[in-house]
Amino acid sequence: KAGVTQTPRYLIKTRGQQVTLSCSPISGHRSVSWYQQTPGQGLQFLFEYFSETQRNKGNFPGRFSGRQFSNSRSEMNVSTLELGDSALYLCASSGGAMGGREQFFGPGTRLTVL
Amino acid sequence: QQQVKQSPQSLIVQKGGISIINCAYENTAFDYFPWYQQFPGKGPALLIAIRPDVSEKKEGRFTISFNKSAKQFSLHIMDSQPGDSATYFCAASSTIGTALIFGKGTTLSVSS
Repeated sequence: KAGVTQTPRYLIKTRGQQVTLSCSPISGHRSVSWYQQTPGQGLQFLFEYFSETQRNKGNFPGRFSGRQFSNSRSEMNVSTLELGDSALYLCASSGGAMGGREQFFGPGTRLTVL
Repeated sequence: QQQVKQSPQSLIVQKGGISIINCAYENTAFDYFPWYQQFPGKGPALLIAIRPDVSEKKEGRFTISFNKSAKQFSLHIMDSQPGDSATYFCAASSTIGTALIFGKGTTLSVSS
């Protein structure tokens, strides 16, 4: 089974721009979660989508948004980028054997905001 | 505040030794405790996970010990190898669809 894929792997943007990141979950998984990883704050939950609906949301400003499509692929968008948004953005899919609790991460998208 | 506290921040172990990483949590609603391994430039990879109705779970060289009354759990890596050198994260969640709350991570270096 193919793992979680994320595109692009690397992005460089400037302050004020917006960015869209894409995630394709493991085949058959219906839940996609997004996390932000930084050296200072560690891994922080952004939001989770299940069957095209946002099921849970972390404590991030409204500039961070996401959506999920009928094929379970998900995108996240960050508008009006700030320097502090520079991070590794990770997508995780779940829906497997352990009652859906196991989350499998993709390689991440490294976003640099200049 | 939902928190998972992880220690130590870094760990150096001799090849063949036992690596032990500890985590403590506050929220008694947590009922799923996974450990992840992350190499530089990669996403976290699920190593092993435990539910609170079990006190210990072993998979190969990796063992989770769980103490529900103390609200603590730990990862033991037996016969540590240089290839185990990575950052390890503990995490916890309360129900399906809720966020994984991660510890800050432990950087393990296994010297040969």
